[in-house]
Amino acid sequence: RKEVEQDPGPFNVPEGATVAFNCTYSNSASQSFFWYRQDCRKEPKLLMSVYSSGNEDGRFTAQLNRASQYISLLIRDSKLSDSATYLCVVNRPGGYNKLIFGAGTRLAVHP
Amino acid sequence: GAGVSQSPRYKVTKRGQDVALRCDPISGHVSLYWYRQALGQGPEFLTYFNYEAQQDKSGLPNDRFSAERPEGSISTLTIQRTEQRDSAMYRCASSLGGGNEKLFFGSGTQLSVL
Repeated sequence: RKEVEQDPGPFNVPEGATVAFNCTYSNSASQSFFWYRQDCRKEPKLLMSVYSSGNEDGRFTAQLNRASQYISLLIRDSKLSDSATYLCVVNRPGGYNKLIFGAGTRLAVHP
Repeated sequence: GAGVSQSPRYKVTKRGQDVALRCDPISGHVSLYWYRQALGQGPEFLTYFNYEAQQDKSGLPNDRFSAERPEGSISTLTIQRTEQRDSAMYRCASSLGGGNEKLFFGSGTQLSVL
C-alpha cells in the first residue's frame, strides 16, 4: 500500500462548479499535511497547509481528519486557471521536510 | 538567486554513462532536497542536506546514486553507469531552515537514458 493515496482522476468540471479531492495516508505518526499544485511540466508549488481545525484560503478549503487519516481539498467556483494536478503531501516525522507525495489528482475545468 | 536553479534543463545520455545534475538553491536556504518524479507520479524523495551535511539518503535507489553539497550551497546529484530506468525528472528543492517549512522547487532536469 502506498503511503499517500489519491484518486488520480481526471475530474472534468465546468467553470463555477465545486469539486472535492480526497487523500488518505498510512503513517499515523505524520504531523504536517499539505496540498501542492503542479501545472503540466512545471514544478510543484505549495497551495496550502492543512490543519486539524480546517482552513480556508479564498475558494479553497482544506480539512484533516487524523482519526481516519484522511485529508480533503474543496475548490468552490472553479476557474479555468484551476486546471492542474493537485498533490496531497504528508510530512514523515523526522524534524525536517521529508515530504511524501501522492501521485496527484488531475483537475480539468472547462468553459 | 530569485529561485532554485537546476542545470542542465535536459540531459540525454547513453546507457552506461555517468551524469551530474546541478542544483543552485535560493540564497540563504539551509535545507536542500533531491526528488525524482516519474511521469504521472508525485515526486519521490531521494536525499536531504542540512548545510553541507547529508542527513538522509534513504531514498537513493542504489549505490550508483550519490549527492554532495560540499560548501552548503550548490549541490550535485551524480548517477553512475546510467540505466534506462533512471530516466525521469530530477527535482531539487530548498527551504529556509531544517524545520517543517515551505519547499521551493526548481524547474528540474529531465534525464533521458537511451
